[in-house]
Amino acid sequence: EDQVTQSPEALRLQEGESSSLNCSYTVSGLRGLFWYRQDPGKGPEFLFTLYSAGEEKEKERLKATLTKKESFLHITAPKPEDSATYLCAVQAPGEETSGSRLTFGEGTQLTVNP
Amino acid sequence: NAGVTQTPKFRILKIGQSMTLQCTQDMNHNYMYWYRQDPGMGLKLIYYSVGAGITDKGEVPNGYNVSRSTTEDFPLRLELAAPSQTSVYFCASSKTGYNEQFFGPGTRLTVL
Repeated sequence: EDQVTQSPEALRLQEGESSSLNCSYTVSGLRGLFWYRQDPGKGPEFLFTLYSAGEEKEKERLKATLTKKESFLHITAPKPEDSATYLCAVQAPGEETSGSRLTFGEGTQLTVNP
Repeated sequence: NAGVTQTPKFRILKIGQSMTLQCTQDMNHNYMYWYRQDPGMGLKLIYYSVGAGITDKGEVPNGYNVSRSTTEDFPLRLELAAPSQTSVYFCASSKTGYNEQFFGPGTRLTVL
């Protein structure tokens, strides 16, 4: 059974204080790892997809990296508007016809104080 | 493009009542999904559809039904609502089974 564990559950940073969020996964082969951002009362918003170990993707202050067992979401010099819950999800191969079944972690709630 | 839209935003049901959660996407996506999100839990897949007329169960389908008569619409039906169905429900869509999914704003449902 695919499993995704995110840590920490909650993280509080000062504006400008860089840090990383972790997503550890167990999956029978990885088709893709997805990062989403979720603001309170809203639906998840897609950030990145990573497909293979060593891959990195960046968007503004966010950089996502991938190894064979985990992914990190690095936040550089965060701002208060980066406050949100960040969700990680994995997809195993061969699941396109079974509904692109994603296994989600519980998320990391990030708060950035001014 | 409006993306994925859901109605209603909030709803309170009494035990045993039924209702339909509406979901529409305007991106011409073949794949559509229904998830529920409970506090402290990851998103759980209820039902999904790979195209008009084709639906299948996800991880937690009991107590729900779906239909997909058009590419755009994917309603979720709750029959005989129970307190365990109190949750936030998200509809999502994707172009293919391997693309990123786009989520709607959610419906917060309370069953009392």
